[in-house]
Amino acid sequence: GAVVSQHPSWVICKSGTSVKIECRSLDFQATTMFWYRQFPKQSLMLMATSNEGSKATYEQGVEKDKFLINHASLTLSTLTVTSAHPEDSSFYICSATHPGLAGVEQFFGPGTRLTVL
Amino acid sequence: SQQGEEDPQALSIQEGENATMNCSYKTSINNLQWYRQNSGRGLVHLILIRSNEREKHSGRLRVTLDTSKKSSSLLITASRAADTASYFCATDNDMRFGAGTRLTVKP
Repeated sequence: GAVVSQHPSWVICKSGTSVKIECRSLDFQATTMFWYRQFPKQSLMLMATSNEGSKATYEQGVEKDKFLINHASLTLSTLTVTSAHPEDSSFYICSATHPGLAGVEQFFGPGTRLTVL
Repeated sequence: SQQGEEDPQALSIQEGENATMNCSYKTSINNLQWYRQNSGRGLVHLILIRSNEREKHSGRLRVTLDTSKKSSSLLITASRAADTASYFCATDNDMRFGAGTRLTVKP
């Protein structure tokens, strides 16, 4: 199946700094990527839909100035957590859709664990 | 609100038993997908079933789809301790997830 990578796999930063997370589709072009966050023992919460060449669509309650998304190419979307605070500590997961024979399929990256001290 | 809603939220069984979990969705779909997530890891795609399919098998996995009831079920046969994970469903037209089913398989 299609492969989606994320970098870094984990990051620890000080409060107030910004952190960039990359999401890449390795063997296919993804016009649409999705960003999720997941707190311990909870489900994935969709944060935003990232569209190549246009502005991301954010879910209700997600601050677009706090979580900057850039989808500069068909294989790369980045999520920047600006002025991170301890409450932003979470597991961030991206996914990309790929049109398969059976319809649109969604492939997930391995996730990035962010810890803000 | 999310499209896929899994049921039950938690399921604990003994190794060798079968595990069945259900998913309900709200709108029409082209396909539905099931995923597994081990603790602290990303999601692994398990199986995709198209809207014109009623049943699909993959190894010990059996998925059914009832579009009239807008529901799907995932059956894991002869479960193993390694099947312990959270399981989620998602449809092709809505990328939101429900709470998932946390499956614990006791050795």
